[in-house]
Amino acid sequence: GENVEQHPSTLSVQEGDSAVIKCTYSDSASNYFPWYKQELGKRPQLIIDIRSNVGEKKDQRIAVTLNKTAKHFSLHITETQPEDSAVYFCAAVLDNYGQNFVFGPGTRLSVLP
Amino acid sequence: GAGVSQSPRYKVTKRGQDVALRCDPISGHVSLYWYRQALGQGPEFLTYFNYEAQQDKSGLPNDRFSAERPEGSISTLTIQRTEQRDSAMYRCASSLASDEQFFGPGTRLTVL
Repeated sequence: GENVEQHPSTLSVQEGDSAVIKCTYSDSASNYFPWYKQELGKRPQLIIDIRSNVGEKKDQRIAVTLNKTAKHFSLHITETQPEDSAVYFCAAVLDNYGQNFVFGPGTRLSVLP
Repeated sequence: GAGVSQSPRYKVTKRGQDVALRCDPISGHVSLYWYRQALGQGPEFLTYFNYEAQQDKSGLPNDRFSAERPEGSISTLTIQRTEQRDSAMYRCASSLASDEQFFGPGTRLTVL
């Protein structure tokens, strides 16, 4: 089955700096890659996603890149703000119609003011 | 409803008791997923439904765990003869068709 690894497990950056979180997946057939943000005590919420037919997607300060050959995808947050502090989870999904999502273990991002 | 709801939000039970956790998905959402999330970890897939059909239950840890969604809407995750290792946050999520999953607030289960 699919296996998703995520690095780093914790990340501290100064406000205004960029943050990058990387995930690798094992099943080359996976074709949908969402990123979720989970603030302390709250439910995970989707922040951005990318499909296998696209190499990069951007939404304001957040971008995701996908390298299908290397089977890795990354989350980039620019101009970080204290409210970006949270745990971020990547996931890989095979044939995204109703298939199970395999989540990475998460990255705890701390943005220091 | 406005979002995915789950009940109860907190459940404390004694080892050996059965518990039933309820998930009420967003109206009209086809797919419903159950996850278990340990503190500091990502959601761990348990099972999912398309409408009332259970499509994949490969993530259920053992036969004490079962789930149903008889009318294709509300779902119940049942854990029989609970054990302390079952203590965790149980989350459900629903999606309209294939992609974005909307998570519920979770049920925190504590087995004493």
